[in-house]
Amino acid sequence: DAKTTQPNSMESNEEEPVHLPCNHSTISGTDYIHWYRQLPSQGPEYVIHGLTSNVNNRMASLAIAEDRKSSTLILHRATLRDAAVYYCILRDRGNNNDMRFGAGTRLTVKP
Amino acid sequence: GAVVSQHPSRVICKSGTSVKIECRSLDFQATTMFWYRQFPKQSLMLMATSNEGSKATYEQGVEKDKFLINHASLTLSTLTVTSAHPEDSSFYICSARRGGATNEKLFFGSGTQLSVL
Repeated sequence: DAKTTQPNSMESNEEEPVHLPCNHSTISGTDYIHWYRQLPSQGPEYVIHGLTSNVNNRMASLAIAEDRKSSTLILHRATLRDAAVYYCILRDRGNNNDMRFGAGTRLTVKP
Repeated sequence: GAVVSQHPSRVICKSGTSVKIECRSLDFQATTMFWYRQFPKQSLMLMATSNEGSKATYEQGVEKDKFLINHASLTLSTLTVTSAHPEDSSFYICSARRGGATNEKLFFGSGTQLSVL
């Protein structure tokens, strides 16, 4: 299975941009890069996903390296409600397309 | 957006009893549902993959006779923790997917906190 590596934790100030990195050096050519986040005591929620090109939506932007071995989730203006654990996940095509979670990055947003 | 409803949100039971957790996709048909378990301060651990109309596929180390999964319809999957013990106390989360493509996102339930006394 292709694995991802993320920093355990990051801090940000409110209203400032946040760049959350993810390394996935063993990614295969057809693996999609998914990002989810989990707020305390809740189930995860979808943030964004992409294959090769950078992606933008109302929640965030996803910047994918040209060699696809890393990606960065960008929150343009962090709010206190963005404090969560952020998971970078690769789809596993070999096992019913299931989604396995790594340790994720715990983002703390300071007022 | 698509909604996955999970019930109950919290359950407390005595050791030795069984607990059933329901996961429903409210506005789409879920061909595949996943069940996860999460201990405090840890990540989600995939327990099993459930396809409608067929037997669930369990991850290594997950006892299928203890964690019974039924995916009887395209909108409902249930997880039954049989003969629960204190070590089964955990946060259980389900997720559902509309299709099988690798770019298809998952929708998650809000989780069930199980406490076994």
